[in-house]
Amino acid sequence: AQKVTQAQTEISVVEKEDVTLDCVYETRDTTYYLFWYKQPPSGELVFLIRRNSFDEQNEISGRYSWNFQKSTSSFNFTITASQVVDSAVYFCALISSGNTPLVFGKGTRLSVIA
Amino acid sequence: KAGVTQTPRYLIKTRGQQVTLSCSPISGHRSVSWYQQTPGQGLQFLFEYFSETQRNKGNFPGRFSGRQFSNSRSEMNVSTLELGDSALYLCASSLGQRHTYNEQFFGPGTRLTVL
Repeated sequence: AQKVTQAQTEISVVEKEDVTLDCVYETRDTTYYLFWYKQPPSGELVFLIRRNSFDEQNEISGRYSWNFQKSTSSFNFTITASQVVDSAVYFCALISSGNTPLVFGKGTRLSVIA
Repeated sequence: KAGVTQTPRYLIKTRGQQVTLSCSPISGHRSVSWYQQTPGQGLQFLFEYFSETQRNKGNFPGRFSGRQFSNSRSEMNVSTLELGDSALYLCASSLGQRHTYNEQFFGPGTRLTVL
């Protein structure tokens, strides 16, 4: 069975601080994809990144970076120099081979205070 | 390119009634998935349609049903509404190619309140 755990329910940081959101996943499949989505107060989930199980290269996109480590089944997300606009709920999700749906973690609510 | 659209955005119904929600995917996307989001249960998968066929179904009672039309637009229906059906219903579309598990793009959701 697939499972995604986001242990941090809520995080509060002061603007310009760096923050890391943790994501731990479980799957027995060797082929799988991991995703991060952002849900601002408006409610619409915004796609941030997709990573497949064969690509452990870390990725950086502006102030965002992702650290994928298969050895620890983790796919952590770091925001550098956080801004108030980063305040949202962030979801990590997993889909693996076979006829399985996308499985989401419970989400981490990030509040960035000015 | 226009994003995923969902109608209506807000809906208030009473117990026992039924409701139909609509979703128009991004042009060219053939897969539409539906999710229910509640504070207690988080995001839960309802079903996925691809080329008018249900490809996957979550663990929800038969009161929840859906369909997809030839233009990829999708509807979901909830019959005999219960208070616990109050939630944000999100629709997501993707290219739907299984071997690459394309990312899903979400609509703004329909917030359903059951009184």
